[in-house]
Amino acid sequence: GAVVSQHPSWVICKSGTSVKIECRSLDFQATTMFWYRQFPKQSLMLMATSNEGSKATYEQGVEKDKFLINHASLTLSTLTVTSAHPEDSSFYICSASGRSYGYTFGSGTRLTVV
Amino acid sequence: ELKVEQNPLFLSMQEGKNYTIYCNYSTTSDRLYWYRQDPGKSLESLFVLLSNGAVKQEGRLMASLDTKARLSTLHITAAVHDLSATYFCAVDLTGTASKLTFGTGTRLQVTL
Repeated sequence: GAVVSQHPSWVICKSGTSVKIECRSLDFQATTMFWYRQFPKQSLMLMATSNEGSKATYEQGVEKDKFLINHASLTLSTLTVTSAHPEDSSFYICSASGRSYGYTFGSGTRLTVV
Repeated sequence: ELKVEQNPLFLSMQEGKNYTIYCNYSTTSDRLYWYRQDPGKSLESLFVLLSNGAVKQEGRLMASLDTKARLSTLHITAAVHDLSATYFCAVDLTGTASKLTFGTGTRLQVTL
């Protein structure tokens, strides 16, 4: 079945630094990738949608200059949290979709900003 | 704007009992997804329901979809402790991959 690899699984960084999270589709071409954010005991909130070779489409209220998304190939998308602050601490999950219906989720990245 | 609501938000049930989780959505859609999430983990796909009247079963879980009522149900039969998790339904809108809108989630706790 379709597999999406997400790294790192967890990361701790200092306030003001940047963190990059990678999401790779291992056995299919991901024409569209999605980035979600999840706070404890809450649902997943979509942050942005990216198509290969295009600029990401951000959801309302998501700062595109803070959450940089790059989808340079059909198998790789990255999310960079710039100038991270403690309020950015969260669980980030990517999802990829290929030509057929369905979504495959990465294993998630727990970000803690201290 | 598509809204997806689940109820209950929290469910505590005894092993061996049956219960149903409900998922209502606000806009016409023919595709509904159910996921399971364990604490600290990502999502595990349970069911994809693609048409009105679709019913799928896996083990003690059965999901159904009524697109006219904009309602999906996840029925749990003879619950066991291993089913304790948070369950999400999610809906997308178009014929091709589109963004998923998630429900609020139902945290299920199965007690001995």
